[in-house]
Amino acid sequence: DTEVTQTPKHLVMGMTNKKSLKCEQHMGHRAMYWYKQKAKKPPELMFVYSYEKLSINESVPSRFSPECPNSSLLNLHLHALQPEDSALYLCASRKGAGYEQFFGPGTRLTVL
Amino acid sequence: GESVGLHLPTLSVQEGDNSIINCAYSNSASDYFIWYKQESGKGPQFIIDIRSNMDKRQGQRVTVLLNKTVKHLSLQIAATQPGDSAVYFCAEEAGVQGAQKLVFGQGTRLTINP
Repeated sequence: DTEVTQTPKHLVMGMTNKKSLKCEQHMGHRAMYWYKQKAKKPPELMFVYSYEKLSINESVPSRFSPECPNSSLLNLHLHALQPEDSALYLCASRKGAGYEQFFGPGTRLTVL
Repeated sequence: GESVGLHLPTLSVQEGDNSIINCAYSNSASDYFIWYKQESGKGPQFIIDIRSNMDKRQGQRVTVLLNKTVKHLSLQIAATQPGDSAVYFCAEEAGVQGAQKLVFGQGTRLTINP
């Protein structure tokens, strides 16, 4: 199994809503990532978890809250988002530094 | 600083021709590089990678070249097909031990003309 899965595929939410994005991998990878990607731009790193501990937070606003419940799962909790947060949110995982990163298909988020 | 860039934002080639996509990086200490392909509406797909102790690596129809002297990376796609149309990103390993991350270039959109 060389797949990273993400749910939901699409999400529309209001600025007062609370929602969560989910990511799962069963490759035994110990590094997991959240990226944000705007149209015609490269993926922009948000968070990195290494061995279930947050190792990088790229100064992401607190309205985005990551969680790594176990080595296979990664969540991104969303609260009080802004319309400019609308983007494709990508999850990725890899064995570790110096190895390829596998991306999920992404969640297309629209904030109204 | 850490920056990865691409020389051309768009590239258009005839079906069957070879394509070359270029990438410049600035961190001479980087030791790992990756190329990704991203089709519309999908997540980036791994194509090929190369470590700094190599100059060239080949895959199926793709070759990555690394020139550490001028800090340049290129992706060659042989006999391009319509399915090769996508945005291609290079990425460079950056960061300190225990907190490594990939830094992505701006991307090149490859269009294959019939």
